[in-house]
Amino acid sequence: GDSVTQMEGPVTLSEEAFLTINCTYTATGYPSLFWYVQYPGEGLQLLLKATKADDKGSNKGFEATYRKETTSFHLEKGSVQVSDSAVYFCALGGLNRDDKIIFGKGTRLHILP
Amino acid sequence: GAVVSQHPSRVICKSGTSVKIECRSLDFQATTMFWYRQFPKQSLMLMATSNEGSKATYEQGVEKDKFLINHASLTLSTLTVTSAHPEDSSFYICSASTDKETQYFGPGTRLLVL
Repeated sequence: GDSVTQMEGPVTLSEEAFLTINCTYTATGYPSLFWYVQYPGEGLQLLLKATKADDKGSNKGFEATYRKETTSFHLEKGSVQVSDSAVYFCALGGLNRDDKIIFGKGTRLHILP
Repeated sequence: GAVVSQHPSRVICKSGTSVKIECRSLDFQATTMFWYRQFPKQSLMLMATSNEGSKATYEQGVEKDKFLINHASLTLSTLTVTSAHPEDSSFYICSASTDKETQYFGPGTRLLVL
């Protein structure tokens, strides 16, 4: 079935370090891909998305490129900040007729000052 | 734009009582609303999908009579946890969508059943 696999956390980095959070997916068809972020005590927010192969989603310095050949959508940021500490969820959707989104398990990110 | 609110944000109740959680899309009409449950340090588990004016579609393993969902209008859906027990304690999150591409999430409701 359709699924999303992302790297397990927690990931701990120093401020200004380079960030990569890996995400791969399995899907029948051509999904849209998303990254959601959940800050402590809050609900999920859409961080970025890509709807077709080779699209690059970007927001707040984060980027992810839809790679159909490797079925991946890795999240990257060149220089993280303490305020980026949160849980990041990779997700896919847009399949079938429904609006369901399938989430990965989430990766907790800690940024040290 | 695309703001979704939930009320209450936090609720504590006694075992055996029922709790209602509201989910509202504040500045748009949502064709579909979703209810999720999130366990500590885990991903979101989709509980049910609801469309305005029709019965909710529950995911496998989710008790319909336990988790009552009403989608009265294009901007309001409610989740009622009936006869709550301590194992129902969790973080409940709703989302609303207007198309297949994006869901807008509420801030969540933390339920604690004593």
